[in-house]
Amino acid sequence: GDSVTQMEGPVTLSEEAFLTINCTYTATGYPSLFWYVQYPGEGLQLLLKATKADDKGSNKGFEATYRKETTSFHLEKGSVQVSDSAVYFCALSPTRAGGTSYGKLTFGQGTILTVHP
Amino acid sequence: DAGITQSPRHKVTETGTPVTLRCHQTENHRYMYWYRQDPGHGLRLIHYSYGVKDTDKGEVSDGYSVSRSKTEDFLLTLESATSSQTSVYFCAIRGGMDTEAFFGQGTRLTVV
Repeated sequence: GDSVTQMEGPVTLSEEAFLTINCTYTATGYPSLFWYVQYPGEGLQLLLKATKADDKGSNKGFEATYRKETTSFHLEKGSVQVSDSAVYFCALSPTRAGGTSYGKLTFGQGTILTVHP
Repeated sequence: DAGITQSPRHKVTETGTPVTLRCHQTENHRYMYWYRQDPGHGLRLIHYSYGVKDTDKGEVSDGYSVSRSKTEDFLLTLESATSSQTSVYFCAIRGGMDTEAFFGQGTRLTVV
């Protein structure tokens, strides 16, 4: 079945450092890919998405490119801030109907990011 | 903010008792999901629904059942709660297969 694997954390960085959080996936067909963020005590919220190969999603300085050849969707930010401290989740959703995966949304295990001043 | 409400927000229950969590939406979205979040395991899908009375299992469905008799409500039932079901439960809604999912605030369930 479909699955998402994220780099193990936690990740600790100093302010203004470069961030990469790796995400790879296993899926049939051509899934849509997402990054969600969860701030302490809150539910998840969408950070960015990409719906087809070579698409780049971006938001709030974060970027991720849908790489079909490497089945990856790595999250990057050039200069992190203390306010970026949160848990980041990679997720996928199949975009073709069929079988039991119709509308299914699968998440990775999450990566805790802590940014120090 | 998307109109999604989970109830209750907190619950403590005893082992062996049935528990029902409710997710209510005002967005008329087709898809609804129940996840549990545990340290070291991320967000794991319990059950999801792709329409009224249309539901399917996720990766950790044992011990849980769901029902969706109308578009706006998705109920998660623990038939006989166990300590391993102590967790934070999140409901999510989504309008389409490549669209954003909106999450509720979560329900913290403790089984003693």
